[in-house]
Amino acid sequence: AQTVTQSQPEMSVQEAETVTLSCTYDTSENNYYLFWYKQPPSRQMILVIRQEAYKQQNATENRFSVNFQKAAKSFSLKISDSQLGDTAMYFCAFTRNSGNTPLVFGKGTRLSVIA
Amino acid sequence: EPEVTQTPSHQVTQMGQEVILRCVPISNHLYFYWYRQILGQKVEFLVSFYNNEISEKSEIFDDQFSVERPDGSNFTLKIRSTKLEDSAMYFCASSGGLSSNQPQHFGDGTRLSIL
Repeated sequence: AQTVTQSQPEMSVQEAETVTLSCTYDTSENNYYLFWYKQPPSRQMILVIRQEAYKQQNATENRFSVNFQKAAKSFSLKISDSQLGDTAMYFCAFTRNSGNTPLVFGKGTRLSVIA
Repeated sequence: EPEVTQTPSHQVTQMGQEVILRCVPISNHLYFYWYRQILGQKVEFLVSFYNNEISEKSEIFDDQFSVERPDGSNFTLKIRSTKLEDSAMYFCASSGGLSSNQPQHFGDGTRLSIL
């Protein structure tokens, strides 16, 4: 079974600074997908970024980027130029590559951006 | 941008009663999912649905749960006899196509409170 671990329950960052959220996972699959979802206080789950395991290049979406280390099974999220609107719960998630399969989520990291 | 919509946003029900949570997936998506999030805990997969039948289900999805796509647009989750521990946020998600390159898009959730 796949597991996703987020070791930082809470983090804070000053506005405009950079923060990195950690995620590790365990799987015997060779090909899979990894995601970061954001859940602001409004409770909606919003896709932030995704990474395909067979791609060596790290995914980037504007201020959000990942550091994907397949051998180490690590998938961290870097948020640059943090904004107050980035305050949210961030979930790392995994899905195996065999069709549209269930997401396995980590416990989340609560990020607070401080003015 | 197309969205997954869920109704109601908040449902309060007496223990032992039946409840139906409703979702309208994104119109051209083929795969549908229900997840739940007990307060303060991680998001957990319940069930996935494709081609009018259940694709996968978790251990949580026992006989008191059922899903249905009664028409071309709605996707429902029924809990037959609710228990206190069913109190949670329930998220519907949908994804399109046959490749797991298609990310899951989530609705805003239904907060279910069992009294």
